[in-house]
Amino acid sequence: DTAVSQTPKYLVTQMGNDKSIKCEQNLGHDTMYWYKQDSKKFLKIMFSYNNKELIINETVPNRFSPKSPDKAHLNLHINSLELGDSAVYFCASSQVGQVYGYTFGSGTRLTVV
Amino acid sequence: EDQVTQSPEALRLQEGESSSLNCSYTVSGLRGLFWYRQDPGKGPEFLFTLYSAGEEKEKERLKATLTKKESFLHITAPKPEDSATYLCAVQARGSSASKIIFGSGTRLSIRP
Repeated sequence: DTAVSQTPKYLVTQMGNDKSIKCEQNLGHDTMYWYKQDSKKFLKIMFSYNNKELIINETVPNRFSPKSPDKAHLNLHINSLELGDSAVYFCASSQVGQVYGYTFGSGTRLTVV
Repeated sequence: EDQVTQSPEALRLQEGESSSLNCSYTVSGLRGLFWYRQDPGKGPEFLFTLYSAGEEKEKERLKATLTKKESFLHITAPKPEDSATYLCAVQARGSSASKIIFGSGTRLSIRP
């Protein structure tokens, strides 16, 4: 049973399109995140939600819009995709007070052509 | 600004050849320092959390240590299956909620 699952695993799309990535966690965690990993493997936080409330919103173009329908789900919608959006996007979850850091999903490789 | 720097960027070792990876950090009050392992095509996998200078944690051939400015991940007699990218991350006290900042990682390759 996958703890943090993301779909799709691969996404190839043309510039200007709109796409969504979905994330679900079955760990009962109260906080979920979106991270972007660039070609140099550098992981950078984009957003964080705690119990459906946005608590971290880093400097990210407003073409990116996260949505959390409940604390087990965090989706990422991207409008007007650009070449520079190509990266691997990771969803993660954590529980306040736990000592195990984050639990990550397996990533969504987005390629914009 | 909180920052994490890892070195070396890449490390190639012979099986059984012990070594250390470095993570230097600058943070306004450390809440926790994390080590993760990332295999190709997968998400980072949690290894350790360290909270205060002098603390050490061990898991199989890995041992993590922490000082006030850096952390080391020591790998003793590594095996090919230890090949992966090792990521260091810090969480600052008083930072936005539970934001964790990552370094760029060390790619470790162990030759049989």
